[in-house]
Amino acid sequence: GAVVSQHPSRVICKSGTSVKIECRSLDFQATTMFWYRQFPKQSLMLMATSNEGSKATYEQGVEKDKFLINHASLTLSTLTVTSAHPEDSSFYICSAVPGATGYGYTFGSGTRLTVV
Amino acid sequence: QQQVKQSPQSLIVQKGGISIINCAYENTAFDYFPWYQQFPGKGPALLIAIRPDVSEKKEGRFTISFNKSAKQFSLHIMDSQPGDSATYFCAASKGPGGLTFGEGTQLTVNP
Repeated sequence: GAVVSQHPSRVICKSGTSVKIECRSLDFQATTMFWYRQFPKQSLMLMATSNEGSKATYEQGVEKDKFLINHASLTLSTLTVTSAHPEDSSFYICSAVPGATGYGYTFGSGTRLTVV
Repeated sequence: QQQVKQSPQSLIVQKGGISIINCAYENTAFDYFPWYQQFPGKGPALLIAIRPDVSEKKEGRFTISFNKSAKQFSLHIMDSQPGDSATYFCAASKGPGGLTFGEGTQLTVNP
């Protein structure tokens, strides 16, 4: 089945530094990937849509200069949290859609970011 | 604005019982309605999904009921097991766009 791999699973960084999270589709090509954020005990909120070879589309209220997304290939999208602050601490999860239908989203295992 | 509302927030059932979680949506352009199961510290896993041209879909112990006119859909888990204890999310999307999630339901199945 379709597998999405996310790395790292956990990261702790100091306030003011940047952190990069990778999302890979292992056995399929994904022209579109999605990035979500989930705070403890809360639901998943769509942050942005990552399109291979073009600029990402950000949801309202998400700072595009803070959350840099690069989708350089059909199997890899990266999310960089720049100048991280404690309020950016959250669970970041990516997803991708295998197949041409545009449905059947598969999620990665998530990255727990803690900013100290 | 919460476009997908989910209830109940938490649910406790006995082993072998039926778990029922409900969702209502507002955007009539939504055309894909999946349900996800999430364990702590893990990404959500797709359980079952439905398109609006179907009123019911069953896969094993999981059934989705869909009411297009009422803009509601529900998940039924038959013969609930302690291993089903997790957080369940309904979601919706328009075309191949990103998912809008409900608030989640914490399901506990007592042995």
